[in-house]
Amino acid sequence: QSALTQPASVSGSPGQSITISCTGTSSDIGVYNYVSWYQQHPGKAPKLMIYDVSNRPSGVSNRFSGSKSGNTASLTISGLQAEDEGDYYCSSYTSSNTLRVFGGGTRLTVL
Amino acid sequence: QLQLQESGPGLVKPSETLSLTCTVSGGSISSSTYYWGWIRQPPGKGLEWIGSIYYSGSTYYNPSLKGRVAISVDTSKNQFSLKLSSVTAADTAVYYCARLDSSSWYEDVWGQGTTVTVSS
Repeated sequence: QSALTQPASVSGSPGQSITISCTGTSSDIGVYNYVSWYQQHPGKAPKLMIYDVSNRPSGVSNRFSGSKSGNTASLTISGLQAEDEGDYYCSSYTSSNTLRVFGGGTRLTVL
Repeated sequence: QLQLQESGPGLVKPSETLSLTCTVSGGSISSSTYYWGWIRQPPGKGLEWIGSIYYSGSTYYNPSLKGRVAISVDTSKNQFSLKLSSVTAADTAVYYCARLDSSSWYEDVWGQGTTVTVSS
């Protein structure tokens, strides 16, 4: 069982917005602003999309945004495009007996 | 442009030791800004953080691997390595190496991944 909890799947139509949640604890998301999000296409390595809760690396579309409230972080994708389809993983720094924790992943389907 | 490349055997027998190396090119592994880590992904499953190392040799490991894991660094070769002992079929996965920003703890550069199968 993953340390961070994500919905198994979400879907949306082109042009719509979707939000993926990521729930942690008071040892990770609840106390640190070190939440990151990754996009993974089949057979490919993950790609960093968001870091520090809401910062986008250079080259990542501004259609991707991140936020946090309490123990839950969220990734919002606006103006959905077919190329956004794939798996999304959240991650956080943690003060528990490990350094990093990942969510179980969310499969995004663009209808 | 920084690139990471994993290398090592694609097939390991049960109870033996899995050994992988990540070669860093286009930048120095001795940068004070980054850690270097390993993440794996079993077939059809999610990502699992294995551990990370600083160029000085300081390490962090996932305790769920119960002392079977060791990560080392060779700054002269700009490489870091993973050893996972007493492997079972549950260790079959795609293994990724990655660069980890040490101020905000995120992986910003990933290798392409290498598939390791544990089977006799």
